[in-house]
Amino acid sequence: AQKITQTQPGMFVQEKEAVTLDCTYDTSDQSYGLFWYKQPSSGEMIFLIYQGSYDEQNATEGRYSLNFQKARKSANLVISASQLGDSAMYFCAMREGMGASKIIFGSGTRLSIRP
Amino acid sequence: GAVVSQHPSWVICKSGTSVKIECRSLDFQATTMFWYRQFPKQSLMLMATSNEGSKATYEQGVEKDKFLINHASLTLSTLTVTSAHPEDSSFYICSAKQGAEGKSPQHFGDGTRLSIL
Repeated sequence: AQKITQTQPGMFVQEKEAVTLDCTYDTSDQSYGLFWYKQPSSGEMIFLIYQGSYDEQNATEGRYSLNFQKARKSANLVISASQLGDSAMYFCAMREGMGASKIIFGSGTRLSIRP
Repeated sequence: GAVVSQHPSWVICKSGTSVKIECRSLDFQATTMFWYRQFPKQSLMLMATSNEGSKATYEQGVEKDKFLINHASLTLSTLTVTSAHPEDSSFYICSAKQGAEGKSPQHFGDGTRLSIL
């Protein structure tokens, strides 16, 4: 069974608009972490934001926020005031357990920002 | 911030050649590193978990004799693609986690594009 599901293969958004990238996950662990990474065309993986399963508040990092709905097992990424430089692949990922556990990635969403 | 360096960034070689890719954590120690493979327009697929001083843990379907992993120090892990063939052409990327806290993200190298002719 797929652990991380991203249902939007691609999205087009007008510059300066907000955008929500969907992510749902599946785990039986009580302790887990959720991540979002950005991958531009150059290939490097850029860490954006983290949400722990025990965190009560939604994580925020600048223009990025994570809409964490634990009961629904969703961890959507919200980008406010999108910029042209936001065009990239975005991956949702999950780590089960703590420590140096491996993380598993979703299939990704390609976000394109229109000027 | 934490930096992971990966070398080389691009390799083109003939079929049958073995290729070694290095992954270094530059400013932190990493007892565990991870190796991923990414085909064009696809997600990162975990190949193996590299453990310092012990054998790597391979994911199901990954040939351990084909993809040799050595993690000889706390800052260096190497992936060797042995007798590479065109189907091994892919983007290989490593990562390392700094610290034991759960919220510590994995830091990625810039990846290695491997093309086998």
